[in-house]
Amino acid sequence: GAGVSQSPSNKVTEKGKDVELRCDPISGHTALYWYRQSLGQGLEFLIYFQGNSAPDKSGLPSDRFSAERTGGSVSTLTIQRTQQEDSAVYLCASSSQGLNTEAFFGQGTRLTVV
Amino acid sequence: AQRVTQPEKLLSVFKGAPVELKCNYSYSGSPELFWYVQYSRQRLQLLLRHISRESIKGFTADLNKGETSFHLKKPFAQEEDSAMYYCALSGYNQGGKLIFGQGTELSVKP
Repeated sequence: GAGVSQSPSNKVTEKGKDVELRCDPISGHTALYWYRQSLGQGLEFLIYFQGNSAPDKSGLPSDRFSAERTGGSVSTLTIQRTQQEDSAVYLCASSSQGLNTEAFFGQGTRLTVV
Repeated sequence: AQRVTQPEKLLSVFKGAPVELKCNYSYSGSPELFWYVQYSRQRLQLLLRHISRESIKGFTADLNKGETSFHLKKPFAQEEDSAMYYCALSGYNQGGKLIFGQGTELSVKP
């Protein structure tokens, strides 16, 4: 695959359940980002992984949110005890090392909490 | 704090009219500025970056450090320019993390 791949594309879950969202970045990209896209809220930064450095978790909205990146490649965003306000499109992006490099985005996972 | 502000949620213009999407930022240092675009049912993608000083699809953006702005301009809007536009910032101070504005929806009417 040439691009960033996210799964699932859509997820409907009941309030209180845990969900896992997956991101497969472009091979060789050292930087990986998670964002949340809500109507009227724009792109909200969640977490940023860069190489072997400690991730920047400053955007995670609560301790119900966590993310990991295994082997410097695939990343999983986990939301525990989902709430209705967690409903949004979750976007993953990756980029090669360097400040001015282009970030490539996945198609997103649309999460609906009912 | 590092921040990107796009004051307009929606900008509506007629085909052939000039368009300017506003972006202001706050950053302590020298930032890298970008514009990303999301067309209907497509992925978010890079439109242009300030360091390249290039024109993409007729769009240009000039970094004004005095006014801390990076407005996106096009002299003659086309219907196919209708999309969601996001201004973004990155820099050494935050390890390369990309911070986005709230986005501006551009609607070009025939």
